Amino acid sequence: NAGVTQTPKFRILKIGQSMTLQCTQDMNHNYMYWYRQDPGMGLKLIYYSVGAGITDKGEVPNGYNVSRSTTEDFPLRLELAAPSQTSVYFCASSARDGSTEAFFGQGTRLTVV
Amino acid sequence: TQLLEQSPQFLSIQEGENLTVYCNSSSVFSSLQWYRQEPGEGPVLLVTVVTGGEVKKLKRLTFQFGDARKDSSLHITAAQPGDTGLYLCAEQIYNQGGKLIFGQGTELSVKP
Repeated sequence: NAGVTQTPKFRILKIGQSMTLQCTQDMNHNYMYWYRQDPGMGLKLIYYSVGAGITDKGEVPNGYNVSRSTTEDFPLRLELAAPSQTSVYFCASSARDGSTEAFFGQGTRLTVV
Repeated sequence: TQLLEQSPQFLSIQEGENLTVYCNSSSVFSSLQWYRQEPGEGPVLLVTVVTGGEVKKLKRLTFQFGDARKDSSLHITAAQPGDTGLYLCAEQIYNQGGKLIFGQGTELSVKP
C-alpha cells in the first residue's frame, strides 16, 4: 500500500530556477494538501484541494502554484525559486472533512542556492 | 488564523521519566489532533480529540482535551528512547477542506 508518494526526495535549485514537486496518492482521497516545514516552525499550509479542479490558498501561498486535474495527483510548482523557499515540503491527503486522519508523504527536502 | 502554542519547544529526559507536553489556543478548537514525526519522515497521527474533557490513552501516552476545548496535553509515562521525535498538535478546520493548523512542535529526546 503506497499511500502518499512524493518525488523527488531531495533537490538543489539555483535562484531563479523553477521546478515541480510531484505528489500522488492511491487512497482515492478527495482532500490533498501541501505544507512546508522550517526548523522550529511546525508545518505551514501552502495550498489545499477538496477535489479535482478545486484548489485554494493556505497560510503561505506566495511563490507557489498548484493544480488538481485528477483525484490522485496534486503537483506543487515553484516559479523563480528564492532562498526563502529552502524548506522541507510535505504533501498529505485525507478522506473527508472533519475528524479524519491526514496521511503524509515522506517529504521533499529543497535547497535554493 | 488560530495560533497554537506548544510548550516546551525542546525536552531532553532520561529513559523512565515522565513528561507532559502542552498545546494551547486563544480560541476554541473544533477538533485537535496529535501527530508524531520521526526524522526524515512525515507526521503520523496519534489521536484525535473532539469533546471537551475527553481523555484518550494509547499505551503509555495519555491525551487530554480541556473542558473549554482551548487546550490539550500529552503525557508520556516511563518514556523510552523509541519515544524520541517531534510531537505536533494540530487543529483540523471543518468546512475548509479539513486543513490542519499546526503548533510549532515539541522536540523530545529520550536518552537511555
